Amino acid sequence: AQTVTQSQPEMSVQEAETVTLSCTYDTSESDYYLFWYKQPPSRQMILVIRQEAYKQQNATENRFSVNFQKAAKSFSLKISDSQLGDAAMYFCAYRRNPYSGGGADGLTFGKGTHLIIQP
Amino acid sequence: NAGVTQTPKFQVLKTGQSMTLQCAQDMNHEYMSWYRQDPGMGLRLIHYSVGAGITDQGEVPNGYNVSRSTTEDFPLRLLSAAPSQTSVYFCASTGSGGGILSGNTIYFGEGSWLTVV
Repeated sequence: AQTVTQSQPEMSVQEAETVTLSCTYDTSESDYYLFWYKQPPSRQMILVIRQEAYKQQNATENRFSVNFQKAAKSFSLKISDSQLGDAAMYFCAYRRNPYSGGGADGLTFGKGTHLIIQP
Repeated sequence: NAGVTQTPKFQVLKTGQSMTLQCAQDMNHEYMSWYRQDPGMGLRLIHYSVGAGITDQGEVPNGYNVSRSTTEDFPLRLLSAAPSQTSVYFCASTGSGGGILSGNTIYFGEGSWLTVV
């Protein structure tokens, strides 16, 4: 079974600074997707960024970027120029590629990191 | 609007009662799934479906039942509610995305808050 570990229950950063959230995972699959989701107090699940395991290039989306280390099974999220609106719970998630045939489906989530932005 | 619709948004049940959480999507997605989120936890997979007529168990299936008679609908049934099932429930469906986030795109419903007393 896959596992996802987020070792930082809470992180705090000054507004406009950069913060990195850590995520490690364990899987025996070679073809999978990794995600970072943002969850504000409303509990809405908002996709921040996604990475396909077969791609060596790290995904980037505006101020959000990832450091994907496949061999180390690490998938950290870097938020640059932090803004007050970035404050939320952040979840790292894993999904095997269902189109690769066979096996289970569904996302496996870490326990989350609570990000606080200090004004 | 296209997306995943969950009903009801809030529900209070008495121990032993049964109920069904509804989930519908209008995007012709093949894959659908149910999750629960407890305090201090990430979402945990309850059941999933890879197409109409095909369902399987996730990490925490006990006390829940699902069926998938159509592509659009994936209801979650609580057979005999227990206080341990107090949680926020999310339904999700999966299609194929494009653009800068090419690959899978997973759509979540807004969540259903369930309290069992």
